[in-house]
Amino acid sequence: AQSVAQPEDQVNVAEGNPLTVKCTYSVSGNPYLFWYVQYPNRGLQFLLKYITGDNLVKGSYGFEAEFNKSQTSFHLKKPSALVSDSALYFCAVHSGGGYQKVTFGTGTKLQVIP
Amino acid sequence: NAGVTQTPKFQVLKTGQSMTLQCAQDMNHEYMSWYRQDPGMGLRLIHYSVGAGITDQGEVPNGYNVSRSTTEDFPLRLLSAAPSQTSVYFCASTRRGRGSNTEAFFGQGTRLTVV
Repeated sequence: AQSVAQPEDQVNVAEGNPLTVKCTYSVSGNPYLFWYVQYPNRGLQFLLKYITGDNLVKGSYGFEAEFNKSQTSFHLKKPSALVSDSALYFCAVHSGGGYQKVTFGTGTKLQVIP
Repeated sequence: NAGVTQTPKFQVLKTGQSMTLQCAQDMNHEYMSWYRQDPGMGLRLIHYSVGAGITDQGEVPNGYNVSRSTTEDFPLRLLSAAPSQTSVYFCASTRRGRGSNTEAFFGQGTRLTVV
């Protein structure tokens, strides 16, 4: 069975500082890893994904994520946080051949302090 | 191009009532899913569909029914609402890609309260 862990319920960071939101995963076979963001009272929006290739993946709004196979991690990062980045972030793993079974982490609330 | 549209956005039900949450997508995606979001539990899959006429159960299917008569629509039916079904419900659609490499598009959610 596949699983995703987001060890931090909330991350606080000052505006302009770098941010990291952590994610570790467990899946048999090759993982397809995704990050989604949820703004208040909205649905989830796709940020970025790792399928294969370069371990550093760049996505929307200046976010990037680093895939580390040995540590089974896929941490989300941004060099300089903005107040508008404050939201709920979900890590997810997609697997399966035909229909993709998606397993979400429990989410991490990012609070960027002005 | 509206993407994924869910209705209603808010709903209050009495225990035992039934209702249907509507979901429609205009992207011609093959895959559609229903999730519920509860605090501290992330999103959990209720039911999913890989195409018109084909549905299957997810992680938490009890108390819910689905059907998929067209590619565009994937309604979720609550048969007899219970307080435990108080949650935020999200519909998602995904293009069938190579393996599992395509991202999901989500509706804006339905906040359901069962009293």
